[in-house]
Amino acid sequence: GNSVTQMEGPVTLSEEAFLTINCTYTATGYPSLFWYVQYPGEGLQLLLKATKADDKGSNKGFEATYRKETTSFHLEKGSVQVSDSAVYFCALTSYNNNDMRFGAGTRLTVKP
Amino acid sequence: GAVVSQHPSWVICKSGTSVKIECRSLDFQATTMFWYRQFPKQSLMLMATSNEGSKATYEQGVEKDKFLINHASLTLSTLTVTSAHPEDSSFYICSARATEGAVTQYFGPGTRLLVL
Repeated sequence: GNSVTQMEGPVTLSEEAFLTINCTYTATGYPSLFWYVQYPGEGLQLLLKATKADDKGSNKGFEATYRKETTSFHLEKGSVQVSDSAVYFCALTSYNNNDMRFGAGTRLTVKP
Repeated sequence: GAVVSQHPSWVICKSGTSVKIECRSLDFQATTMFWYRQFPKQSLMLMATSNEGSKATYEQGVEKDKFLINHASLTLSTLTVTSAHPEDSSFYICSARATEGAVTQYFGPGTRLLVL
């Protein structure tokens, strides 16, 4: 079945540091890949997505590239801010699946 | 666009009572809505999938008689936790998908349930 493996946290960085959160997946067919962000006490917000191989999703300085050859969708940001502190979830869904599979989540804390 | 709301945002109830949580798509029609449960510091676990006008499909291990789901319209799905017990305390999150072929799910803000 489909699954997502995400880098374990927590991750603590200083402001303006470079961020990478690794995500790899296992799926049949051609999944769509997502990164969602969850701020404390809130639901999930879509951060970015990519629907086919080599697509790059980007939003708010974050980006991730759909790599079919390595089955990966790593999240990166060149310079994090304190306001980026949250939990980040990698997820995938396939057209023939009704549900979305999530990684375990990675808690990011950015210190000033 | 693509806003999903949930009501209430939090609820405290006594053991044995039932609690209803509403999930609404505010600016689009959702053919499919999903209900997830999230325990503290854990990922989301899919509970059930509901399509408008039909019975919900429950994931293995989720009691359909305990977690009643109704998807009466294209903008509203409800989850009723019947005879709630302390172990049902959790963060419940719904999501909605606009069309059958859409790949993106839009999530509500979640409902925190505490059963005393």
